[in-house]
Amino acid sequence: SQQGEEDPQALSIQEGENATMNCSYKTSINNLQWYRQNSGRGLVHLILIRSNEREKHSGRLRVTLDTSKKSSSLLITASRAADTASYFCAVNAGGTSYGKLTFGQGTILTVHP
Amino acid sequence: GAVVSQHPSRVICKSGTSVKIECRSLDFQATTMFWYRQFPKQSLMLMATSNEGSKATYEQGVEKDKFLINHASLTLSTLTVTSAHPEDSSFYICSASVGISGRFKETQYFGPGTRLLVL
Repeated sequence: SQQGEEDPQALSIQEGENATMNCSYKTSINNLQWYRQNSGRGLVHLILIRSNEREKHSGRLRVTLDTSKKSSSLLITASRAADTASYFCAVNAGGTSYGKLTFGQGTILTVHP
Repeated sequence: GAVVSQHPSRVICKSGTSVKIECRSLDFQATTMFWYRQFPKQSLMLMATSNEGSKATYEQGVEKDKFLINHASLTLSTLTVTSAHPEDSSFYICSASVGISGRFKETQYFGPGTRLLVL
């Protein structure tokens, strides 16, 4: 089954505004991670939230996790043009011994200066 | 810390030839490396999980004879696309996880990717 479905698929905002991206998944998880990918580049790890955590902050990033709804959200506050990128959630399903990640389809964020 | 490199960054080859992509962990030992492919504007699809010194575990639908993976050392894994065809053209990304004794490997560190174009 597909994991890590995200919405919206694309988000366009003005600099200074907040951006919220959502991720839903289907099975139990060990943790959920968010990554950023600039066009044609590798992925940058942003934040990891474990299944027993509900909220986590890192700088301008805030991630929430609701295991009862099998969903997570990534909030970027006071966005900047440099935040323009694709954002992916990835779930690390419980029980896998090698930390395998299953990625969502991603949200393309465009921040206009 | 936790830097992963890939070489080459891009490669163009003729149909029928083989291409080798290297993935190196530069400042840590990676017991597990992962290989993904990504088509334009799509997500990453895991191809295989590679453990140092053992055979790779391939995901369903990935041909192991076409995508040869070797993980000969704790800092190097290679992916060889054999007899490449135009449909193999894609962005190939590797990642490495840092094993923590007694704990689940959690964060993966990604390489910058290799863009393969098969003519």
